[in-house]
Amino acid sequence: DAKTTQPPSMDCAEGRAANLPCNHSTISGNEYVYWYRQIHSQGPQYIIHGLKNNETNEMASLIITEDRKSSTLILPHATLRDTAVYYCIGRSGSARQLTFGSGTQLTVLP
Amino acid sequence: NAGVMQNPRHLVRRRGQEARLRCSPMKGHSHVYWYRQLPEEGLKFMVYLQKENIIDESGMPKERFSAEFPKEGPSILRIQQVVRGDSAAYFCASSPTDTNQPQHFGDGTRLSIL
Repeated sequence: DAKTTQPPSMDCAEGRAANLPCNHSTISGNEYVYWYRQIHSQGPQYIIHGLKNNETNEMASLIITEDRKSSTLILPHATLRDTAVYYCIGRSGSARQLTFGSGTQLTVLP
Repeated sequence: NAGVMQNPRHLVRRRGQEARLRCSPMKGHSHVYWYRQLPEEGLKFMVYLQKENIIDESGMPKERFSAEFPKEGPSILRIQQVVRGDSAAYFCASSPTDTNQPQHFGDGTRLSIL
């Protein structure tokens, strides 16, 4: 699975869009980009995943660059409850497990 | 529409005792994964099971740890003769298949060893 690189921390003002970057320059053609978040003391929560097209669901949007070397998770209107550690994970179709890195600690400020 | 259920949420054991952690996957999910999160660290994969089969246990310590997912009932992660270093949060996830489907996690069991 591709190694991913994320900034260790970010702040965002409540009500504004939170844009979380992820670099995955070694990603292979069959690897999906998954995003999870972990709110303190809870289990990881699935947010979204994609292969090469941009994706949107009720939680977030995922923008993947055309060369697939990086992606951005967008929370359109961040709330205080979005404060969490966000993990970007590259996962091939044959990989059973998720490999979690250090993630980005997003703090939404009032 | 129940999610992944883990119990107990908190478990305290003395050194040398056994710990049993239970995980009921989401309805319709037949694939179960166990992860461990040591204090101040990220989640690490331990084992992947389907009903009555261990598919991948490459992340499981070779001694004292075992896992099962019987035909009926929850998946069990069993730790024998616990030591202080086993203190961690243990998370279970499930998915309907093992290919390109998101895994959904429970809220974990926090194991404390006295």
